[in-house]
Amino acid sequence: DTEVTQTPKHLVMGMTNKKSLKCEQHMGHRAMYWYKQKAKKPPELMFVYSYEKLSINESVPSRFSPECPNSSLLNLHLHALQPEDSALYLCASSSGTPGTGELFFGEGSRLTVL
Amino acid sequence: QKEVEQNSGPLSVPEGAIASLNCTYSDRGSQSFFWYRQYSGKSPELIMFIYSNGDKEDGRFTAQLNKASQYVSLLIRDSQPSDSATYLCAPQTGANNLFFGTGTRLTVIP
Repeated sequence: DTEVTQTPKHLVMGMTNKKSLKCEQHMGHRAMYWYKQKAKKPPELMFVYSYEKLSINESVPSRFSPECPNSSLLNLHLHALQPEDSALYLCASSSGTPGTGELFFGEGSRLTVL
Repeated sequence: QKEVEQNSGPLSVPEGAIASLNCTYSDRGSQSFFWYRQYSGKSPELIMFIYSNGDKEDGRFTAQLNKASQYVSLLIRDSQPSDSATYLCAPQTGANNLFFGTGTRLTVIP
């Protein structure tokens, strides 16, 4: 199984809503990532979890809150978002071995903030 | 985010030609370098990686690395229309950080 599954595929929310994006992998990978991608731009790293601990937070606003309940699951909790947060949110996983840069991406969750 | 610049596109080449994609990076601590391809509406996928200075070939793809110049490139020989995509350079410094470059959109014209 080489899949990274993201749900939901599409999400529309208001600025006062609270919602969550979910990501799951069953490849035994120990590193999981959240990226944000705006149209015609490269993916922008947000968070990295390594062995279920947050190892990188790229100065992401606190309205985005990541959570890694176990080694297979990664959540991104969303609260009080702004319209400019509308983007494709990509989850990825990797083995976590240093120097191994192969990330396996999910299909993404397209978020629209009204 | 680390600075990773790629040649501005879009880049158009005729079918069968060589496409040359370039990338410069600012972090001298970068040790490993990855090239990803992203088709429109799809997620990125790994094409190849390179660790050592010099050339590395994999089928129609050749990656070239010069750490002294902080430069990495990807050559695609015998370009095919199916190679039309955005190519992302990604240097890696630590164990798990992977920052993508600005990306180059390639169009191969039949």
